[in-house]
Amino acid sequence: AQSVAQPEDQVNVAEGNPLTVKCTYSVSGNPYLFWYVQYPNRGLQFLLKYITGDNLVKGSYGFEAEFNKSQTSFHLKKPSALVSDSALYFCAVREGYYGGSQGNLIFGKGTKLSVKP
Amino acid sequence: DADVTQTPRNRITKTGKRIMLECSQTKGHDRMYWYRQDPGLGLQLIYYSFDVKDINKGEISDGYSVSRQAQAKFSLSLESAIPNQTALYFCATSDDRQGGTEAFFGQGTRLTVV
Repeated sequence: AQSVAQPEDQVNVAEGNPLTVKCTYSVSGNPYLFWYVQYPNRGLQFLLKYITGDNLVKGSYGFEAEFNKSQTSFHLKKPSALVSDSALYFCAVREGYYGGSQGNLIFGKGTKLSVKP
Repeated sequence: DADVTQTPRNRITKTGKRIMLECSQTKGHDRMYWYRQDPGLGLQLIYYSFDVKDINKGEISDGYSVSRQAQAKFSLSLESAIPNQTALYFCATSDDRQGGTEAFFGQGTRLTVV
């Protein structure tokens, strides 16, 4: 069964510093990987995804993520954090084929990012 | 207008009452989902539907039922609400003809069962 782990409940970063939010995954087939952000009292917004190709993918708001197949990881990064980046971040995985329960989006428990001025 | 619309946005109901949460989408996607969000647990899949005639249970379907009235509409029902169903509920859609597309979420329904 596919699964996603976000090992940190909370990440604290000073504004202007680089940030990393960690994600590891487990699937039996090829992974489709996603990052979403949730601001207070809002739905989930898509940030970026890895399907195939270049291991470094770039997304919205200056975020990027690196796919590492050997470590089964897909960490979210940003070179310089902003206070407005403070939110809840979710990693999600989908197995790369269809049928049955495969292909559904499975989420991690979320990581709260707090960026202080 | 939002691509995925959930109604109501907030609801307080009493234990034992039946309640329906509604979701409609204008994206033309075949797949629709209902998720539940609890603090510290992330999003858990309740039900999903590949199309109008194909509905499937997710991780936590007990106590819930769904109806896919049309491609654009997918409703979630709590037949007899209980307090531990108090949560934030999200509807989502995706276009899986290509498989690698992201899901689009509604704004959520905050349900409180007292």
